[in-house]
Amino acid sequence: DQQVKQNSPSLSVQEGRISILNCDYTNSMFDYFLWYKKYPAEGPTFLISISSIKDKNEDGRFTVFLNKSAKHLSLHIVPSQPGDSAVYFCAASEGQAGTALIFGKGTTLSVSS
Amino acid sequence: GAVVSQHPSRVICKSGTSVKIECRSLDFQATTMFWYRQFPKQSLMLMATSNEGSKATYEQGVEKDKFLINHASLTLSTLTVTSAHPEDSSFYICSARAGPSYQPQHFGDGTRLSIL
Repeated sequence: DQQVKQNSPSLSVQEGRISILNCDYTNSMFDYFLWYKKYPAEGPTFLISISSIKDKNEDGRFTVFLNKSAKHLSLHIVPSQPGDSAVYFCAASEGQAGTALIFGKGTTLSVSS
Repeated sequence: GAVVSQHPSRVICKSGTSVKIECRSLDFQATTMFWYRQFPKQSLMLMATSNEGSKATYEQGVEKDKFLINHASLTLSTLTVTSAHPEDSSFYICSARAGPSYQPQHFGDGTRLSIL
């Protein structure tokens, strides 16, 4: 059973608009969440993370929101740029225990100009 | 900062060959390194976790005699696919983490392994 789910395999957004990528998880022990961006034939690049003691973390155009009661997190990209087009993976772990990451299947974001 | 180098980026070899993949953290010391495998249009699946100077911990279903992991130093881990077969063809990616917890993993660019 998947512990981290990204239910939208793809998302298309116009340049300048907001991109919202969603992620749900089932394991209540997860307390550390990350978003990675991946281009074809490359490894994932770390974007932003959030620990469960927070509900929001912002870094430039990227903001991650965490709703623990709903076991849901989202990544907002504002404004979206064509260079943001990539596959975005949500990942989670039991951060305090230093465990490995569990990844979702990814969402392919396409930003058109 | 936080650069992870993985080599080689692509390997094509005959069935029965053993293939070694290296993963290096270039600008930080990695107490823990991870090896993942990714099938087409699938997520990254953790194969094993290695801590410097100790044996790797393998995930369920991953054959430790097939996928040999060595983490001999704080900057280098290697994955050796022994006697590779066509079903081992995949995209293998390593990652490294500087600290024990609440630290992001940083990934190499992966190795595309094709067994003929």
